[in-house]
Amino acid sequence: QQQVKQSPQSLIVQKGGISIINCAYENTAFDYFPWYQQFPGKGPALLIAIRPDVSEKKEGRFTISFNKSAKQFSLHIMDSQPGDSATYFCAASRRDTGGFKTIFGAGTRLFVKA
Amino acid sequence: DGGITQSPKYLFRKEGQNVTLSCEQNLNHDAMYWYRQDPGQGLRLIYYSQIVNDFQKGDIAEGYSVSREKKESFPLTVTSAQKNPTAFYLCASSMGGVRRNYGYTFGSGTRLTVV
Repeated sequence: QQQVKQSPQSLIVQKGGISIINCAYENTAFDYFPWYQQFPGKGPALLIAIRPDVSEKKEGRFTISFNKSAKQFSLHIMDSQPGDSATYFCAASRRDTGGFKTIFGAGTRLFVKA
Repeated sequence: DGGITQSPKYLFRKEGQNVTLSCEQNLNHDAMYWYRQDPGQGLRLIYYSQIVNDFQKGDIAEGYSVSREKKESFPLTVTSAQKNPTAFYLCASSMGGVRRNYGYTFGSGTRLTVV
């Protein structure tokens, strides 16, 4: 119930294409779903996040689609660029004693071919 | 600019030695975290602290220790009891449960290698 399953493990996309990364969760208590982007040798950075009261959130070329009934959410990167090549982590957070608890997916390594 | 500073960037440890990784934040965040990342792997929680002078074990706390004497600082000590400490260590902070803002700010990491 605590796991967040992320797929695929790695992804190769042509420049200009759409990159799609999927995540699934079990615990319906999760109420915040962020995506983080990590470049080699750097810490992850918060990219975009969604709450379960909306089905989609878009920021520039990045869109989160959220399916509450299926307990799934996905990241879509439109017009993918070589500079998007990085590792992407999904996560799910819920309230916990004194604060909140976050579970991370295992990550997806994206490579965008020029 | 507000952020999280981790130091050193690279650290080498001899067998049987304790080493301490520094993490400082000026974001006025209440909660701080330590994660371990192994090559090609996800993030595993070592310790976290929701408030000064209080901290809890994460999923892989054995062989590690922390302190939270100041809001801004959350140092991690890797003890000789940690048998496989070579990894990339990430410190993070968040506002905690305040206003349901659960996003993390991460530092740039410390790469620890056993020599």
